[in-house]
Amino acid sequence: SQTIHQWPATLVQPVGSPLSLECTVEGTSNPNLYWYRQAAGRGLQLLFYSVGIGQISSEVPQNLSASRPQDRQFILSSKKLLLSDSGFYLCAWTTGTGENQPQHFGDGTRLSIL
Amino acid sequence: DQQVKQNSPSLSVQEGRISILNCDYTNSMFDYFLWYKKYPAEGPTFLISISSIKDKNEDGRFTVFLNKSAKHLSLHIVPSQPGDSAVYFCAAIPKTGANNLFFGTGTRLTVIP
Repeated sequence: SQTIHQWPATLVQPVGSPLSLECTVEGTSNPNLYWYRQAAGRGLQLLFYSVGIGQISSEVPQNLSASRPQDRQFILSSKKLLLSDSGFYLCAWTTGTGENQPQHFGDGTRLSIL
Repeated sequence: DQQVKQNSPSLSVQEGRISILNCDYTNSMFDYFLWYKKYPAEGPTFLISISSIKDKNEDGRFTVFLNKSAKHLSLHIVPSQPGDSAVYFCAAIPKTGANNLFFGTGTRLTVIP
């Protein structure tokens, strides 16, 4: 069966520090991968998605970037964190074939910027 | 611009009664609709979905209704159980794109024993 792992679960970082959140998927090949953010009191907002290695699409211009160095690995990064980057970050995957496939989420990383 | 809206931030229901969660959308290109359930400190879990060619989909205690003319969908849970207490997100996928989800802001359901 397929599983998705995100780490760390919680992270406290100072303003201006770098960020690296990692997500890996097991049990499937060539998944579509996604990064979402949920800010306080708001819904989930799609940040990036990837349909293959090295292929990244950005949905919202911001201070963050994403990379997909391996088929089942998706990384969210920042060179300098801002206070507004605080939130709950979720990684998700779906099968790369066919339309209208539900996305399956990891347990998220709660990021607090001080 | 919020294309998927859940206007009720919270809902309380007695155990055994019906819970009805509502969702409205503005984009007529949405082709597929999903409901997710989320517990604190966990990622959302897929619950049930419906294609735009249908108006109803049922799975056990959960039924989703779609009214395309009104751009409205709802999730019915009957009978409601205390374990159903969670935040429920409505989401939609447009006809084009890599299965990108557009989420509502969520409704917190509390089922009172």
